[in-house]
Amino acid sequence: KQEVTQIPAALSVPEGENLVLNCSFTDSAIYNLQWFRQDPGKGLTSLLLIQSSQREQTSGRLNASLDKSSGRSTLYIAASQPGDSATYLCAVINDYKLSFGAGTTVTVRA
Amino acid sequence: NAGVTQTPKFQVLKTGQSMTLQCAQDMNHEYMSWYRQDPGMGLRLIHYSVGAGITDQGEVPNGYNVSRSTTEDFPLRLLSAAPSQTSVYFCASSGQGWNTEAFFGQGTRLTVV
Repeated sequence: KQEVTQIPAALSVPEGENLVLNCSFTDSAIYNLQWFRQDPGKGLTSLLLIQSSQREQTSGRLNASLDKSSGRSTLYIAASQPGDSATYLCAVINDYKLSFGAGTTVTVRA
Repeated sequence: NAGVTQTPKFQVLKTGQSMTLQCAQDMNHEYMSWYRQDPGMGLRLIHYSVGAGITDQGEVPNGYNVSRSTTEDFPLRLLSAAPSQTSVYFCASSGQGWNTEAFFGQGTRLTVV
């Protein structure tokens, strides 16, 4: 069974600092990995999708890397803003199913 | 663009009642699934479908039924609600194969008393 772990569970940083969020998974036979953002009481918003053949994906201030062999992905958010405060979830996809980590809750202090 | 639409947004049920959570997508996606999100447990897969007429069980299927008669709709039925089914339910869809981006609805917050 695929196990997905996100460390740390919570993170608080001052505005402007770069954020580094980690995701690890136990089964490297994945199709792809997707990062989501979830605001309190809301649904999941897709941030980045990294296909299994890719090593990284970028969108604006967001950059995600994928190392399948070691079972790790990292989401970098540059120059954080208070609006980046949310819970960030990673999900790995294999056998038509998404397996989620428990998330990292980020607070960016103004 | 509507994307994935879930109804209702909130629901309170009494133990033993049944109900159907609705999910519809307008992206012509083949793959649809239901998840529940509980504090400290993350999102867990309930049921999923790889196309109209095809469904399968996920990690926590007990107490739930699904069917997929059309590409657009994937309703989730609670047969006899129990307090343990109090949760937030999310529907998701994805295009050709799971090698494409998954999109989620806004969720249904269900309380069973």
